[in-house]
This record gives sequence, structure tokens and C-alpha cells, in this order.
Amino acid sequence: GAGVSQSPSNKVTEKGKDVELRCDPISGHTALYWYRQRLGQGLEFLIYFQGNSAPDKSGLPSDRFSAERTGESVSTLTIQRTQQEDSAVYLCASSSLAGEGRETQYFGPGTRLLVL
Amino acid sequence: AQSVTQLDSHVSVSEGTPVLLRCNYSSSYSPSLFWYVQHPNKGLQLLLKYTSAATLVKGINGFEAEFKKSETSFHLTKPSAHMSDAAEYFCVVSEIPSGGSYIPTFGRGTSLIVHP
Repeated sequence: GAGVSQSPSNKVTEKGKDVELRCDPISGHTALYWYRQRLGQGLEFLIYFQGNSAPDKSGLPSDRFSAERTGESVSTLTIQRTQQEDSAVYLCASSSLAGEGRETQYFGPGTRLLVL
Repeated sequence: AQSVTQLDSHVSVSEGTPVLLRCNYSSSYSPSLFWYVQHPNKGLQLLLKYTSAATLVKGINGFEAEFKKSETSFHLTKPSAHMSDAAEYFCVVSEIPSGGSYIPTFGRGTSLIVHP
């Protein structure tokens, strides 16, 4: 079946502009995660959605970052007034029932964001 | 609280020789542990995971890892490296909290270099 998809694959923007990144999880997966991966770094957790529960936003680095998810489908990550430090690969992952942290995460290919 | 430390940022081996990628973790609860692999310009893929069953876990492509609670380690090994194993490897810990959401913590990654 189809895996996790993300769009766009690459995005170049000017400092100060807003960007919107999209993630389509695997159908039926209730959990969805957003991560940021800076060049040569590990993954930095941003936000977590689980079903209809309130999202865990504890990883969002500033109020310029926000994310939404409609039910158990598509999610969008929005970065307002982008800064050069926001340049990174943004990864989305989904997983099935949140069985106490034991589920495999399935990752999308990422969106590579470059802020000039 | 949970944390994970990958002890080597780079590991270089010759094709056909053993691979050892080291990972130590810290967890207040019973953790689940994962190894993910990221090939260049590709998404992350699960190699293997430990979820409180057998302490020796076998994964894809001949990799295995052993959960050692006394040493708080989850090192990844392979008897014989192949050129196609060259990639970035991430150790991940996810614990079962007494409330809250299941946010995994990723290590900073180990880059495996395989020489012919």
C-alpha cells in the first residue's frame, strides 16, 4: 500500500515569508509526528497528534510554528515569518495505535526547506 | 525522562568485517528501543525494535541488537558489512510514561562508512 507522503519535496523561500508543509499519513494510522532534521543532526521532535486527542506541541521551537490535523488524515505544518535557522528537512511519520510507545513509525521522504 | 546517546558519530569498516554501532539509553520506565536506518536521500526505515520480549532482537539485512538492562545499552551489530550498509543509523528510545504522550527520543546518529 501507499506509504507516508509529503509535499513539497523541496521548498525555497525568502526570509519573512510563511510556508506550509503537508503530510499524508498511511491510511488508518492514528498517530502522526512531525520532526525537524538539521544538516548532520538527529531528529528533533516538533509535534504529535494521536486520534482526536489534543496534540502534544511540546517540541515546537517558537510560536511561529503551528500544525493542524483533520481527524486521522492529512496534517499541515505552518512556519510563519521564516528565518534562516528554519532551514532543515522536515519529516513526518505515522504509526498505528499508540500501544505504549512500541509501534513502528513510518516516515515520509521529507520536505527540504531552504530559507534565503 | 528518557535520553539516548550514540557513542560514535562515525564508524568506518571494511567490507566483510563486523559492524558495531553503540547506543546507551536512560529511561525512568520500561523502554522500547529501536534502530532506524537512513540511506542518502531516502526516508528512515525501521531496522529492528525491542519491546520487552526477547533481549536479542534480529532485524532486516542481517542486523541484530541486544538489550542489556544492566549496562543500559542497545548496541547494533552485523557479522559482515556490505557496501549497501553505508548509511546513517539512529538509536531511539520510547518509554511508557505514567500519563502523557509517547514521544520517542532519537540519538544524534552514527554514520556508517564501508570501504571496499
